[in-house]
Amino acid sequence: SYVLTQPPSVSVAPGKTARITCGGNNIGSKSVHWYQQKPGQAPVLVIYYDSDRPSGIPERFSGSNSGNTATLPISRVEAGDEADYYCQVWDSSSDHVVFGGGTKLTVL
Amino acid sequence: EMQLVQSGGGLVQPGGSLRLSCAASGFTFNIYWMHWVRQVPGKGLVWVSRINSDGNSISYADSVKGRFTISRDNAKKTVYLQMNSLRADDTAVYYCARAGYANGFDIWGQGTMVTVSS
Repeated sequence: SYVLTQPPSVSVAPGKTARITCGGNNIGSKSVHWYQQKPGQAPVLVIYYDSDRPSGIPERFSGSNSGNTATLPISRVEAGDEADYYCQVWDSSSDHVVFGGGTKLTVL
Repeated sequence: EMQLVQSGGGLVQPGGSLRLSCAASGFTFNIYWMHWVRQVPGKGLVWVSRINSDGNSISYADSVKGRFTISRDNAKKTVYLQMNSLRADDTAVYYCARAGYANGFDIWGQGTMVTVSS
């Protein structure tokens, strides 16, 4: 089965850029989606189709996907960005949706 | 406002059954694929099942296949998850979600807790 690998944690100072990675075999050939989840809340889609933003998501959130790694850069990080972030793809070979293990973003 | 409102859930004994419901409003329900995702408190998101727009194509995670059944009633704008032969490791918060962009989930329900314990 397809596996997505994320670092358990990323720390960044306010105003800096955080980069959260998502590794998978030839992930560049898939569409990657990213979610933000704050404690006690449902996840929120922040990036779809590798790099598109839903309405209402700040431009500080972006995305890239190539080779074996997808990345969620968050620029000018704010305290309110502190959350868990998950990457997700659809694995066509198994017709299963796959989530990464999640990355806890800490704003120092 | 587009939203998904979940109901069902609660405490059930091992081997028991439970049905979750997820009612949609504010959008054309019958054109969207729908999914269920679960999350053990403090752990990550895990995909459970999905159903296509007319209900004739379904997929399950291996961990629930043969025990869980997803279905939908487009007239009632509701998707269901029938959970049978429940085990302790099915204990989790269950979310329903709308598949918008290439199976990216753009609308989520509020989540409902399922606890399997004697």
